Amino acid sequence: DAGVIQSPRHEVTEMGQEVTLRCKPISGHDYLFWYRQTMMRGLELLIYFNNNVPIDDSGMPEDRFSAKMPNASFSTLKIQPSEPRDSAVYFCASTLAGGPFKLFNEQFFGPGTRLTVL
Amino acid sequence: AQTVTQSQPEMSVQEAETVTLSCTYDTSENNYYLFWYKQPPSRQMILVIRQEAYKQQNATENRFSVNFQKAAKSFSLKISDSQLGDTAMYFCAFMKPRSNAGGTSYGKLTFGQGTILTVHP
Repeated sequence: DAGVIQSPRHEVTEMGQEVTLRCKPISGHDYLFWYRQTMMRGLELLIYFNNNVPIDDSGMPEDRFSAKMPNASFSTLKIQPSEPRDSAVYFCASTLAGGPFKLFNEQFFGPGTRLTVL
Repeated sequence: AQTVTQSQPEMSVQEAETVTLSCTYDTSENNYYLFWYKQPPSRQMILVIRQEAYKQQNATENRFSVNFQKAAKSFSLKISDSQLGDTAMYFCAFMKPRSNAGGTSYGKLTFGQGTILTVHP
C-alpha cells in the first residue's frame, strides 16, 4: 500500500488566497483525521471523519477553514481566505477502527503539507 | 478534557545507552489508549508503541518499552541501546474511545508538546 497520500507537499501562497489541501487515506480505512502542527501550538486535531461523515470539528479554528470527504478515498481541507497565521504543516491521517475485541489501531500519517502564507 | 504533558522539551543520549522520556496525562476515564509517536526530521509521524489502559503489563517493541503507571497517570518511554536513527521528536498521545449508540468507536488523539531526542555518536 502506498500509505496516506497528501498533496501538495509544499504550498506557498499570498494572504487572502484560497488554499486547498488534499488527502487520500489508506484503502479500507474508515477514519480520516486532519491535524495542524506549529511550533507554538504543537500538534492539534482539526477535524475527523468516520465513513465520510464529520464526527468532531471542534478543532477547526474558524469559519475560514472547511473540510470535506466526498468519498472514502478523498478528503480536502480548504482555507479561504488564507492568513499568515495559518502557516503550518498540515497532516492527514487514517485508521481502521478496532475489530471485535476493540483493539484501537494506530493512525497512519501522511507526509504532511507545509503551508506558507505570505 | 484530557491533557497530555511532556515536561522534557529536549533530551540527549549517547549511542548505545538508554534514555527515558516522560509523559503524564490527566483524565477521569478508566478505559483509554496511550501511544508514543516518533517524528524524524522528515516530519513523518511513525507509531512507536501502544498501551491499552486495561492491560497491566507494560508494552514492549524491540528496543522500546513503556512504564505505564495508571494510578499515577504516567506513561514513560524507555529506549534501550539508542541508535543514531532514533534522533527525532517524540510525542506522547492519549485516546479515549468514543461512546455512541453502536458501542465504542475511535476517538481523537490528544498529543503532548513533544520531546526532541538527539542521539550522539
